[in-house]
Amino acid sequence: NAGVMQNPRHLVRRRGQEARLRCSPMKGHSHVYWYRQLPEEGLKFMVYLQKENIIDESGMPKERFSAEFPKEGPSILRIQQVVRGDSAAYFCASSPGSLPGYGYTFGSGTRLTVV
Amino acid sequence: AQTVTQSQPEMSVQEAETVTLSCTYDTSESDYYLFWYKQPPSRQMILVIRQEAYKQQNATENRFSVNFQKAAKSFSLKISDSQLGDAAMYFCAYGGETSGSRLTFGEGTQLTVNP
Repeated sequence: NAGVMQNPRHLVRRRGQEARLRCSPMKGHSHVYWYRQLPEEGLKFMVYLQKENIIDESGMPKERFSAEFPKEGPSILRIQQVVRGDSAAYFCASSPGSLPGYGYTFGSGTRLTVV
Repeated sequence: AQTVTQSQPEMSVQEAETVTLSCTYDTSESDYYLFWYKQPPSRQMILVIRQEAYKQQNATENRFSVNFQKAAKSFSLKISDSQLGDAAMYFCAYGGETSGSRLTFGEGTQLTVNP
């Protein structure tokens, strides 16, 4: 079991470009969560997805950010027209169920740097 | 909304000694879960220990134990016989049954272990 796989590990984008972050959940996990960690801060919830459905996107910025978890393939977090303030570590987590008691398994994160 | 507060941005401990990291939270829910995650320099988020609010017995995992005071809304982590590998950022997190699947994280405590 390879755990939660995120790629790329590091991503550098110029202002105005698009960033695509990928997350493959653990085998058997159908619930995926994205969190953002700004420098020197804790993780902040962004979005919760199940296969082909966005369940909770209350933490997603209203513009430029989108997420999907297609029937086949990894979950994708997409940031359009990146700005310097988007520089952060983005973590994906997966769980086998929707209740918090299941706990999460986190990936190693993608560090996005906008130059 | 739930909040999680870690009042100690930094802590240090001598190798083989014991250290306690503090965490308080605010919630109106009666059923919830509390977690401690460790984030070493590799950035990987690792689950250290989990506590279910309806269980009065404090959770223990080897050298890690918690002091869960439900009435005081306090959830501290005790690390016994500290090892150099325990050096990391530690995050307290809250997950409630009625607040969806998202976890709310504290701002973290950076633990240094001195040889």
